[in-house]
Amino acid sequence: DAKTTQPNSMESNEEEPVHLPCNHSTISGTDYIHWYRQLPSQGPEYVIHGLTSNVNNRMASLAIAEDRKSSTLILHRATLRDAAVYYCILRDSNNAGNMLTFGGGTRLMVKP
Amino acid sequence: KAGVTQTPRYLIKTRGQQVTLSCSPISGHRSVSWYQQTPGQGLQFLFEYFSETQRNKGNFPGRFSGRQFSNSRSEMNVSTLELGDSALYLCASSLGGNQGYTFGSGTRLTVV
Repeated sequence: DAKTTQPNSMESNEEEPVHLPCNHSTISGTDYIHWYRQLPSQGPEYVIHGLTSNVNNRMASLAIAEDRKSSTLILHRATLRDAAVYYCILRDSNNAGNMLTFGGGTRLMVKP
Repeated sequence: KAGVTQTPRYLIKTRGQQVTLSCSPISGHRSVSWYQQTPGQGLQFLFEYFSETQRNKGNFPGRFSGRQFSNSRSEMNVSTLELGDSALYLCASSLGGNQGYTFGSGTRLTVV
């Protein structure tokens, strides 16, 4: 699986939007971009995924660069419950035995 | 809809013993994966099963093994436990393909 690069940590104020960046310059055409987050003392939680087009769901939005070498997870209004480690992961759709290769992720701190 | 259930939640074992952890996936999910999480190595993929067949295996010694039953429930076994096997073991299930994984809360194993 191709590698991703994320900042180690970010801070945000409550009620403000948060943009979490991810670089994946070696992404292949069959790689989907997945985001997961892990709250303290819990297992990772699926957030969103996309291939080429921007995606929205009830949790977040995913903005994918035109060349697909980077993406941004957008939390529209951060709450204290969004404080977590956010992982950006590439999954090869051609690989039947899918696995998630977790990097270090970005630790998001939300200030009240 | 019930989530991914892992049992037990906590376990303390002695070096040299063996341990079996259990995972019940979301109903209808045929793909089950196992991950190990430690402070030093982060989240690492152990193996993935789909319809009772192991499709992918991570870089772990042969002491780590798993299986999946016809009802998709899965177990992982660690034999001859070492202190370094102390970790949070997470199970995740998926419908397959490029769908997201749902993780359980994990089993925290402590080897003394």
